[in-house]
Amino acid sequence: DARVTQTPRHKVTEMGQEVTMRCQPILGHNTVFWYRQTMMQGLELLAYFRNRAPLDDSGMPKDRFSAEMPDATLATLKIQPSEPRDSAVYFCASGLSAGGSYEQYFGPGTRLTVT
Amino acid sequence: QQPVQSPQAVILREGEDAVINCSSSKALYSVHWYRQKHGEAPVFLMILLKGGEQKGHEKISASFNEKKQQSSLYLTASQLSYSGTYFCGTDTSGNTPLVFGKGTRLSVIA
Repeated sequence: DARVTQTPRHKVTEMGQEVTMRCQPILGHNTVFWYRQTMMQGLELLAYFRNRAPLDDSGMPKDRFSAEMPDATLATLKIQPSEPRDSAVYFCASGLSAGGSYEQYFGPGTRLTVT
Repeated sequence: QQPVQSPQAVILREGEDAVINCSSSKALYSVHWYRQKHGEAPVFLMILLKGGEQKGHEKISASFNEKKQQSSLYLTASQLSYSGTYFCGTDTSGNTPLVFGKGTRLSVIA
């Protein structure tokens, strides 16, 4: 049963600290997304990659957030320095893009609390 | 542009029907529907493509009206397991990431 995995599942940190979230997409999927979910804003796209190349990161605050795919089995999202307003659930999702629309498979999420 | 979902929330008794709507201000290539249970990740339900193709999932079906730039999700004979938040995601070209609506919270009670 192929699944997207994310670590850590929960993270509590103090303002100013660095946070790194990791995602392992489903093997064979070529597209990876990072989303942030809050009650106020809902599901927001932060960044996405296709074949490991970043296609769009316009949803991310560039001064503090960075997203990378060092290899096909790992995507990372870093926040440095973290702020209380970054508190949210961060989801990674993957899918197989072959032209046209396709379904996304979401990981369980990382619940981040910045105090 | 974020699609608009209505209603924001709905409460049903088991066996009742519901309709959730999703409207966009832009022309759409496809509409996607996801369900998220409390504390869990969103789960894919279905994709609707241009041409009005309707696809079903168990007792959940949906429609897509390209001219009106709208999609509707139909839940018939609701079950307790249908409770959750339903999101529509819109795709304007077939090669762009989805933009999700704010969700419709559905509660099914016995």
